[in-house]
Amino acid sequence: KNQVEQSPQSLIILEGKNCTLQCNYTVSPFSNLRWYKQDTGRGPVSLTIMTFSENTKSNGRYTATLDADTKQSSLHITASQLSDSASYICVVSPHAGNNRKLIWGSGTSLAVNP
Amino acid sequence: GAGVSQSPRYKVAKRGQDVALRCDPISGHVSLFWYQQALGQGPEFLTYFQNEAQLDKSGLPSDRFFAERPEGSVSTLKIQRTQQEDSAVYLCASSSTGGSSYNEQFFGPGTRLTVL
Repeated sequence: KNQVEQSPQSLIILEGKNCTLQCNYTVSPFSNLRWYKQDTGRGPVSLTIMTFSENTKSNGRYTATLDADTKQSSLHITASQLSDSASYICVVSPHAGNNRKLIWGSGTSLAVNP
Repeated sequence: GAGVSQSPRYKVAKRGQDVALRCDPISGHVSLFWYQQALGQGPEFLTYFQNEAQLDKSGLPSDRFFAERPEGSVSTLKIQRTQQEDSAVYLCASSSTGGSSYNEQFFGPGTRLTVL
């Protein structure tokens, strides 16, 4: 069973609209959670990283939230732009001292249409 | 260079052929990672280097996969006797220091391998 589940699998929105992507995880122990953006044909790029003590972090129009009690995270995109079309991947790290064992979700594919 | 580069960007191989994929990490980055990404999935860890030492190769799917980083900078992932299930995007990432999970990994654009 995948320890990091993302929803929806895909999403289509109109330019200028907001959207929220969900990530549920069962990974334990837990050190930190990060969101990556992956454009088609490119490698992932880090958007945010949160430790268990942080419950929100922003990066421009991207705001991530974390509830370590319910093991849920969300990524909110405000005033979407065409360039936001990409796959958004939730990644959980079980151990602070080991960045090899990142557990990756399958991503949400977002399409922003004009 | 400004970022991680990988070559070739695309590789088509006949089943049974050997391939070599190259990664040039960001200059001075100690850590280097290889990932395999199937279509519609997140990356899966293959192997990790700290400088020239391969500290973790637990993700390599078979002994046909071999990686090296002899001088602690450029790395090569070699796949021998390629099979169709090896078709995927192979991503390389580097980070500036050792094993802390807080260290951001910077990814290259990947090599898309197609095995016919």
